[in-house]
Amino acid sequence: NAGVTQTPKFRILKIGQSMTLQCAQDMNHNYMYWYRQDPGMGLKLIYYSVGAGITDKGEVPNGYNVSRSTTEYFPLRLELAAPSQTSVYFCASSYESLPDTQYFGPGTRLTVL
Amino acid sequence: TQLLEQSPQFLSIQEGENLTVYCNSSSVFSSLQWYRQEPGEGPVLLVTVVTGGEVKKLKRLTFQFGDARKDSSLHITAAQPGDTGLYLCAGEDAGGTSYGKLTFGQGTILTVHP
Repeated sequence: NAGVTQTPKFRILKIGQSMTLQCAQDMNHNYMYWYRQDPGMGLKLIYYSVGAGITDKGEVPNGYNVSRSTTEYFPLRLELAAPSQTSVYFCASSYESLPDTQYFGPGTRLTVL
Repeated sequence: TQLLEQSPQFLSIQEGENLTVYCNSSSVFSSLQWYRQEPGEGPVLLVTVVTGGEVKKLKRLTFQFGDARKDSSLHITAAQPGDTGLYLCAGEDAGGTSYGKLTFGQGTILTVHP
């Protein structure tokens, strides 16, 4: 099992550009999450999904969109990138809701200049 | 929005010393998790506590959930350089269905010097 994989690992965007962060899991997990981690801070939830076709906002959803057409993939879309979106983005998945274990990917480091 | 305050934010100690990291909130949590994160990697779950007053041990690590389920602590005995990393606590909202949503503390950066 590869677990949770994320691409790209690093990316630099110019203000106003758009991009999609990819996330895939091969554990047949129902729940998937997107977090962002700013320097010296914990993780903040952006969006989450409880199954294919079902997504909902987390704590900091503004400027992002998600879709989940299959169990395996949960891409995060950034429209009109802003410097405030400079962060490390983590995707995670779990089979069930809490207190089940969430498995995290290695992260995508995004810089918006 | 629930808040989790972790302290201390930074901890630099010598190998063999003991340490405690605290995680406090004014909110009640259904469960609380502790993660360890190394540079360039995602967090990895260490433990989940779900019952008020619960104590769990993982080798030299001892985790405690407060009786009122508002706070937690992580105690490391005889710290080793391999314990170096960022330690995060994260809580599950006790009100209603959480759908797996976690609130994270800001983290404690632990450095253990040989």
